[in-house]
Amino acid sequence: EAQVTQNPRYLITVTGKKLTVTCSQNMNHEYMSWYRQDPGLGLRQIYYSMNVEVTDKGDVPEGYKVSRKEKRNFPLILESPSPNQTSLYFCASSSPSGRNYEQYFGPGTRLTVT
Amino acid sequence: RKEVEQDPGPFNVPEGATVAFNCTYSNSASQSFFWYRQDCRKEPKLLMSVYSSGNEDGRFTAQLNRASQYISLLIRDSKLSDSATYLCVADNYGQNFVFGPGTRLSVLP
Repeated sequence: EAQVTQNPRYLITVTGKKLTVTCSQNMNHEYMSWYRQDPGLGLRQIYYSMNVEVTDKGDVPEGYKVSRKEKRNFPLILESPSPNQTSLYFCASSSPSGRNYEQYFGPGTRLTVT
Repeated sequence: RKEVEQDPGPFNVPEGATVAFNCTYSNSASQSFFWYRQDCRKEPKLLMSVYSSGNEDGRFTAQLNRASQYISLLIRDSKLSDSATYLCVADNYGQNFVFGPGTRLSVLP
């Protein structure tokens, strides 16, 4: 089954404790992306990757890191989480298809930083 | 000014009604457009792509007006199961997906 998986689905942590949220896709997609979703603000892009070893900042990259060592994986790293990073995080992947680039989303990771 | 703007709603409509959502985008370089549906904080799922010529998928019709930089979604014969948040997306060749804040729809029995 074609899918994007994220782990963990729920995480409660404390300020300053490094964490990684994993994202994996089995569709051989070139493009992967991380978003955060907050009430009233919608989905905002954190980082994206056009292919292996190619990453770029989105709209809200501060406090986050990513890596793309393999095509299928795109982990999101919070080196020193802060309470303002409490949010719902989605990973997505896509591949050019005709004229459009449909994005497939993972189930989301709900992060709380206390 | 946000790149993609939508009326947040909520739109409360009775079953069977026709409802229309509009969305405006500010980046004239945007090339691809989509409507996504999101249920109660679950992951967004593609509802339909939006083509310049307009396109229809069952009860759903999407239109794009490049000159005015707006996209619309029309839902006919609303069902209870259509209740969700509808997200408008503008994209530049897969490099810059920008989501609108979403419009919440509640279809009432």
